[in-house]
Amino acid sequence: KQEVTQIPAALSVPEGENLVLNCSFTDSAIYNLQWFRQDPGKGLTSLLLIQSSQREQTSGRLNASLDKSSGRSTLYIAASQPGDSATYLCAVRGSGGYQKVTFGTGTKLQVIP
Amino acid sequence: DAGVIQSPRHEVTEMGQEVTLRCKPISGHNSLFWYRQTMMRGLELLIYFNNNVPIDDSGMPEDRFSAKMPNASFSTLKIQPSEPRDSAVYFCASSLVANTEAFFGQGTRLTVV
Repeated sequence: KQEVTQIPAALSVPEGENLVLNCSFTDSAIYNLQWFRQDPGKGLTSLLLIQSSQREQTSGRLNASLDKSSGRSTLYIAASQPGDSATYLCAVRGSGGYQKVTFGTGTKLQVIP
Repeated sequence: DAGVIQSPRHEVTEMGQEVTLRCKPISGHNSLFWYRQTMMRGLELLIYFNNNVPIDDSGMPEDRFSAKMPNASFSTLKIQPSEPRDSAVYFCASSLVANTEAFFGQGTRLTVV
């Protein structure tokens, strides 16, 4: 059974700081990994999708890396802003027949002005 | 496209009543997912459809839960009878094919009293 862990559970940083969010998974047989953000009371917004054959993806100030063999992904946020405050979730899609998607528990980020 | 559309946004019902949640995926997407989010358990995949066919329903908690996808543009999640422990936010998501991004609806916040 795939288990996805995100550390830390919560993070508070001053505006302008660069930061790294971590996601680890127990089964390396994955199809892809996706990072989302969720604002309070809202749905999930897709940030980045990394296929199992890729090492990283970039979008603006965000960079996500994937090390499938070690079961790890990181989301790097450069020059953080108060608008980045949200809960960040990673989701792993398995490569088995059902390609089940398993979410991590999330990291709640607060960027202080 | 308006994105994934869920209705209702909020539902309050009494224990024992039937509840039906609705989802309209993004046009052209062939995969549809139902998730439940609670503080205790995070995001859990309930059921996953591919081309309107249920592929994996191992996450459906019990027989009181059922889901249908009668056509490519509509899906329902039904709880009968509802119980207070079913209170959660239920999300629907869709994707074009298995290796592309999943897009989420805004969710239905269900409260069973």
